[in-house]
Amino acid sequence: DVKVTQSSRYLVKRTGEKVFLECVQDMDHENMFWYRQDPGLGLRLIYFSYDVKMKEKGDIPEGYSVSREKKERFSLILESASTNQTSMYLCASSFSLRFTSPSSYEQYFGPGTRLTVT
Amino acid sequence: GENVEQHPSTLSVQEGDSAVIKCTYSDSASNYFPWYKQELGKRPQLIIDIRSNVGEKKDQRIAVTLNKTAKHFSLHITETQPEDSAVYFCAAPGGYGGATNKLIFGTGTLLAVQP
Repeated sequence: DVKVTQSSRYLVKRTGEKVFLECVQDMDHENMFWYRQDPGLGLRLIYFSYDVKMKEKGDIPEGYSVSREKKERFSLILESASTNQTSMYLCASSFSLRFTSPSSYEQYFGPGTRLTVT
Repeated sequence: GENVEQHPSTLSVQEGDSAVIKCTYSDSASNYFPWYKQELGKRPQLIIDIRSNVGEKKDQRIAVTLNKTAKHFSLHITETQPEDSAVYFCAAPGGYGGATNKLIFGTGTLLAVQP
């Protein structure tokens, strides 16, 4: 069974704090993703990593950065948290199309981190 | 890049009725269309997907249809049950030409099945 875990289910931070959200997967997936989920807006991609130390901006990267030093771990960093970053953050992972058939687009999600910035 | 639109945003049906959720996409080269289900307080999970070389796929009470000409695909749930209540997301590949690891998700449909 694929397991994607996130470091916290709930997090409360103050405006201006630096925030780290951690994601770990145990399936040796090449790809890892960070999404933000807000009501009515669906799942919006913040950043994507297709290999260690490799990253690509998603649709809403402003105010965020990421780090992938090891294959199994992908971190999302809020350099200076703001109230408009209050949201549910979901991590996901998948196999790379470079190594598998196109049937492996499936993304496996973590349980999410509900972040509140006050 | 790809753009995915999903309708309706909310859907309420009586138990036993059918539910249909529709999505449109913009990139004619997209070749894979998954549907994810997210129950309240839980993570999204893949429930069914379809590739562009088929027009329909079924799995028990759920089915997905694809119209490549019109660039839309739909999720059909028959004989709905209360446990079908959830948010459903459609998605399509997020890069040019369909060859990408990214998915672009629709905005979601909240399905409520009334007992």
